Amino acid sequence: TQLLEQSPQFLSIQEGENLTVYCNSSSVFSSLQWYRQEPGEGPVLLVTVVTGGEVKKLKRLTFQFGDARKDSSLHITAAQPGDTGLYLCAGGEAGSYQLTFGKGTKLSVIP
Amino acid sequence: GAVVSQHPSWVICKSGTSVKIECRSLDFQATTMFWYRQFPKQSLMLMATSNEGSKATYEQGVEKDKFLINHASLTLSTLTVTSAHPEDSSFYICSASHTDSGNTIYFGEGSWLTVV
Repeated sequence: TQLLEQSPQFLSIQEGENLTVYCNSSSVFSSLQWYRQEPGEGPVLLVTVVTGGEVKKLKRLTFQFGDARKDSSLHITAAQPGDTGLYLCAGGEAGSYQLTFGKGTKLSVIP
Repeated sequence: GAVVSQHPSWVICKSGTSVKIECRSLDFQATTMFWYRQFPKQSLMLMATSNEGSKATYEQGVEKDKFLINHASLTLSTLTVTSAHPEDSSFYICSASHTDSGNTIYFGEGSWLTVV
């Protein structure tokens, strides 16, 4: 069974600060997806990374897939209160649509 | 982007009754759909994988006779919680795989179930 360790589990920061969320595994994933979920709603896909070393940017969010495809990070620059939510990483295996989820990082950005 | 819709968004039912939750892929065909359960402040827990035209594959510890899954078409999967108990109260989320976008999964909005 593949496991994804996500850290930190909780993060509370002031508006304007930067933060990084990490997703680590001992297993190799064919793809890594990041989701953001607000209370009472389903997760919304932010990005999919598939190539080792890949970096993708989405406005103030920067996503990186490790060279060995075992880890990933999400960096938010100048966090805004609207960034508040639960961030989930999920790893995909080759030939399967099933995802392995991390436990999530609950981010609170204080105005 | 691809859209997955769940219905109902929330439902309250009495103990002992059954309740059905629908998951539809609105603009694409999904041969595989997934059902998750989520408790407050926790991540998603995969319950079962639903394949169109065949029996669902359940994760360990999930009672298949209690959580009935039917994937009768390429755009619809249903989860029926039978003989519901208060401990079944939870947030249930489905997702569907979009074959044209690699390994990308799209999620429904989720369904809140409260059993009283």
